[in-house]
Amino acid sequence: QSVLTQPPSLSAAPGQRVTISCSGSSSNIGNHYVSWYQQLPGTAPKLLIYYNNNRPSGIPDRFSASKSGTSVTLGITGLQTGDEADYYCGVWDSSLTTYVFGAGTKVTV
Amino acid sequence: EVQLVESGGGLALPGGSLRLSCAASEFTLSNYEMNWVRQAPGKGLEWVANIRSSGSTMYNTDSVKGRFTISRDDAKNLLFLQMDSLSAEDTALYYCNREGYGGTSDAFDLWGQGTMVTVSS
Repeated sequence: QSVLTQPPSLSAAPGQRVTISCSGSSSNIGNHYVSWYQQLPGTAPKLLIYYNNNRPSGIPDRFSASKSGTSVTLGITGLQTGDEADYYCGVWDSSLTTYVFGAGTKVTV
Repeated sequence: EVQLVESGGGLALPGGSLRLSCAASEFTLSNYEMNWVRQAPGKGLEWVANIRSSGSTMYNTDSVKGRFTISRDDAKNLLFLQMDSLSAEDTALYYCNREGYGGTSDAFDLWGQGTMVTVSS
């Protein structure tokens, strides 16, 4: 059971927007940088967001993220079938002294 | 091409050992914080261990409980994970990855393809 809470699954139609929440505490999200990862079926995770809301080079601006207190949100606009994947939030937890991932959210388009 | 390639996975007996390797191309491992992350079949991601540029290490003590050791060979640009006293709960795809963006981001910007470890009698 992860200390970060994500919805297990979400679905939306092509072209629509989906938001994925990740809720934690002051020992993780509240005081550390959050990252988001996309894992397409059968592939390794890929970094989508770092430093809470920054996109690596090559990540389209359809992907965005925000942070408020001990929660973060990943938004995906203009959904495409190629966005079908598992999405994970990740952050350092200073109480556990462990890097923690959310349990993941499966997005269906 | 900048990449990470893991090897060394396979079938191990309960109580046995395996040593995973991760080869880095086109960048120097020792300049970055490096990690091992695993994923049990059908499950989510679990951070296992970290080694800093300085050589200091950290572990997911709840999961590995002193059984795993992360290390690197700077001359060969290789990262290792020595896994001892394996149990069925260690069955997973093991990924090595790199922390990018200055080492303060806690963001893993480069991942290998993973190597599968199966612990079974």
